[in-house]
Amino acid sequence: RKEVEQDPGPFNVPEGATVAFNCTYSNSASQSFFWYRQDCRKEPKLLMSVYSSGNEDGRFTAQLNRASQYISLLIRDSKLSDSATYLCVVNDGYGGSQGNLIFGKGTKLSVKP
Amino acid sequence: DAGITQSPRHKVTETGTPVTLRCHQTENHRYMYWYRQDPGHGLRLIHYSYGVKDTDKGEVSDGYSVSRSKTEDFLLTLESATSSQTSVYFCAISEPGQGNTIYFGEGSWLTVV
Repeated sequence: RKEVEQDPGPFNVPEGATVAFNCTYSNSASQSFFWYRQDCRKEPKLLMSVYSSGNEDGRFTAQLNRASQYISLLIRDSKLSDSATYLCVVNDGYGGSQGNLIFGKGTKLSVKP
Repeated sequence: DAGITQSPRHKVTETGTPVTLRCHQTENHRYMYWYRQDPGHGLRLIHYSYGVKDTDKGEVSDGYSVSRSKTEDFLLTLESATSSQTSVYFCAISEPGQGNTIYFGEGSWLTVV
């Protein structure tokens, strides 16, 4: 069975801290990678796609290591509003980049004042 | 906003009764999905559709059926609800060529008593 593994946390950090999440995936054929954010009792929302060369969106930086099959998300200067569960997502590798998505169970982040 | 509406948003039903959840989208997306999310399991794919009358099973399809008679509507039916189907159900859409980025509806909370 294809797996996506994440540290469930919770990560409790003060405002302004830098926090990093890692995720490993089991299927070397996976071609699409994402981080989603989910607030309590809400739907998951796309935070960012993860590209092979790494990519940044404001305070968020995502990295992909295909050789080791892991993905990371770095959040700098944490805000209270960053408190949420972060889901690591990869596709199952079938149908190229259009394969179905496999979700990690999520890492919970709590940013404290 | 991906233009996805789920109904009902909340439902309590009795064991053994049939239940249908509806997902309606307004933007003519080809792919539609039904996921369930449970503590300790993350999001799991139930069924998906890649066009009108074209559907396929996901990871946890037992006890569920789907229908897609129009592009905009994707129905999930529990033929005879069981307590193990108590969950939150998310509908999602995607478009080919976007690396299978998916966008979720707001969820339907189902309790089977």
